[in-house]
Amino acid sequence: RKEVEQDPGPFNVPEGATVAFNCTYSNSASQSFFWYRQDCRKEPKLLMSVYSSGNEDGRFTAQLNRASQYISLLIRDSKLSDSATYLCVVKQGTGRRALTFGSGTRLQVQP
Amino acid sequence: EAQVTQNPRYLITVTGKKLTVTCSQNMNHEYMSWYRQDPGLGLRQIYYSMNVEVTDKGDVPEGYKVSRKEKRNFPLILESPSPNQTSLYFCASSPRRTGSYEQYFGPGTRLTVT
Repeated sequence: RKEVEQDPGPFNVPEGATVAFNCTYSNSASQSFFWYRQDCRKEPKLLMSVYSSGNEDGRFTAQLNRASQYISLLIRDSKLSDSATYLCVVKQGTGRRALTFGSGTRLQVQP
Repeated sequence: EAQVTQNPRYLITVTGKKLTVTCSQNMNHEYMSWYRQDPGLGLRQIYYSMNVEVTDKGDVPEGYKVSRKEKRNFPLILESPSPNQTSLYFCASSPRRTGSYEQYFGPGTRLTVT
């Protein structure tokens, strides 16, 4: 079983739609959680951290469910510019600052 | 401009011909890391460095070497490349501040080994 699992998609949604991605992780000792965004053939960039209480940044909402070991990302009012691959990232409970990346969920927002 | 740079951006080489991919950051970050990205496998860590002269293996270190002689540079060395090392490589850096886990990635190096 992969340490971090995501549905690869693609998720094809119309502009203005609300879309949600889930990600599951296997290590219950995982400490920190993030969503990164990666545009086609570009480097990943941090989108947002995921806090235990859930957090929101504009149209983006991230939530963590430790009991079920999953993280979610909700995007409201999708824009064409949201088209990208979204990587779920988990920091394992080790001292070497290692981040484990999911293989990503591809989102395509259509006009 | 704060950034991580990698060179070359694209490289096609033959099996067994030693190569080096350079990585440099201008943000005075202590932590640097190399990843490879393959379809369906996500980003996997090859090697990382917590500071100058301190390096350690990541999840997929076989066939790679690194060095950290200066804080800003972290080259990736393939002594004898093989076709299974064809991949997209990213260098990343981050500061050592407690609670700061954001990694800043370079633009990537697409390597093809024939």
